[in-house]
Amino acid sequence: AQRVTQPEKLLSVFKGAPVELKCNYSYSGSPELFWYVQYSRQRLQLLLRHISRESIKGFTADLNKGETSFHLKKPFAQEEDSAMYYCALSGLDNSKLTFGKGITLSVRP
Amino acid sequence: DAGVTQSPTHLIKTRGQQVTLRCSPISGHKSVSWYQQVLGQGPQFIFQYYEKEERGRGNFPDRFSARQFPNYSSELNVNALLLGDSALYLCASSFQERSSYEQYFGPGTRLTVT
Repeated sequence: AQRVTQPEKLLSVFKGAPVELKCNYSYSGSPELFWYVQYSRQRLQLLLRHISRESIKGFTADLNKGETSFHLKKPFAQEEDSAMYYCALSGLDNSKLTFGKGITLSVRP
Repeated sequence: DAGVTQSPTHLIKTRGQQVTLRCSPISGHKSVSWYQQVLGQGPQFIFQYYEKEERGRGNFPDRFSARQFPNYSSELNVNALLLGDSALYLCASSFQERSSYEQYFGPGTRLTVT
């Protein structure tokens, strides 16, 4: 079975503060991890994936297989980062994308 | 391209009825996946279709079925509706079969069962 856990429902920070959105996963095979984001009144969209190893909008995420984690980080939060963030997992051998419950990030001015 | 489109936007049904939801993928995308999103939860995988064949099924009862047409559009059918089927139903399309490819989501259909 594959499972994604996002332990927090809400993170509220001030503009310029660092952000870390936690994600832990459970999967017996080789996982592929993603972060999806949904801004207010917009569709769910891909933010980044671990295989790309890239920074998108200042966000980065490193896959830690030892801790089975894929935390999303940004050193300086911006107001436009306020959104719902979902961590998701896919197995290399299946077509199923499993999402966590999501976390609301609120960045205050 | 308008992106993934879904119809209808909202739907109200009574317990025991049947419902059909429709999805049109982005032009050129051959994979369509369906998700159910209950309030306060993340999307939960229901089905994936690629080249008109079912390629993946989530943990949903047989009341849920789907199909994909030659133009790659898709329908999700739910029979014998229960109150617990009330949710936002999302459709996502992708160029390739593997879910590791970026999935593009539609706006969803909000189903309310009374």
